[in-house]
Amino acid sequence: DADVTQTPRNRITKTGKRIMLECSQTKGHDRMYWYRQDPGLGLQLIYYSFDVKDINKGEISDGYSVSRQAQAKFSLSLESAIPNQTALYFCATSDSGPGELFFGEGSRLTVL
Amino acid sequence: GENVEQHPSTLSVQEGDSAVIKCTYSDSASNYFPWYKQELGKRPQLIIDIRSNVGEKKDQRIAVTLNKTAKHFSLHITETQPEDSAVYFCAASIGSNYQLIWGAGTKLIIKP
Repeated sequence: DADVTQTPRNRITKTGKRIMLECSQTKGHDRMYWYRQDPGLGLQLIYYSFDVKDINKGEISDGYSVSRQAQAKFSLSLESAIPNQTALYFCATSDSGPGELFFGEGSRLTVL
Repeated sequence: GENVEQHPSTLSVQEGDSAVIKCTYSDSASNYFPWYKQELGKRPQLIIDIRSNVGEKKDQRIAVTLNKTAKHFSLHITETQPEDSAVYFCAASIGSNYQLIWGAGTKLIIKP
């Protein structure tokens, strides 16, 4: 089945370290997104990309950067991780908007 | 900024009874309103969505109603079953890119 795959699924790191979360998809969608989920806050959009040459900031982009390496790959980086970036991160894809978002299984990041 | 308020944060209902979750949005230009279900430890998945040119949409035991004048929309689940236990998120689109603003989520508990 076509899917959205995130790696790593779990990561524990220390303050100040650089972290990369990777996302790949086999759905053939052009649009890809990175969301952050915190308990009681729902989902917040970090960055989104509508094609390889298009990158857009979301609501909470400070402290994060992204790279769209190919139509199927979209990675999220934390250049210098801090404890309040501890959260569950989801990658998602969609066809032309507005429409269904297909989420990956999530990457749980803990920053000590 | 734009926001979506979702109530209640927790809802406990007897199996077989109905459940209603309500969301209010602030952007009068919003025209797409999805609902996602997230089971414990799983990824969010779309269960139903509605566009602004429609007042109500049904899919078996699930229905969504939209009141554009009042800027609120609701999810209705009838004949609740144990597998309906999950966190439900509403969202509303903003801007020409249909970026989604999410509610904080409702934890639905189905009591046997």
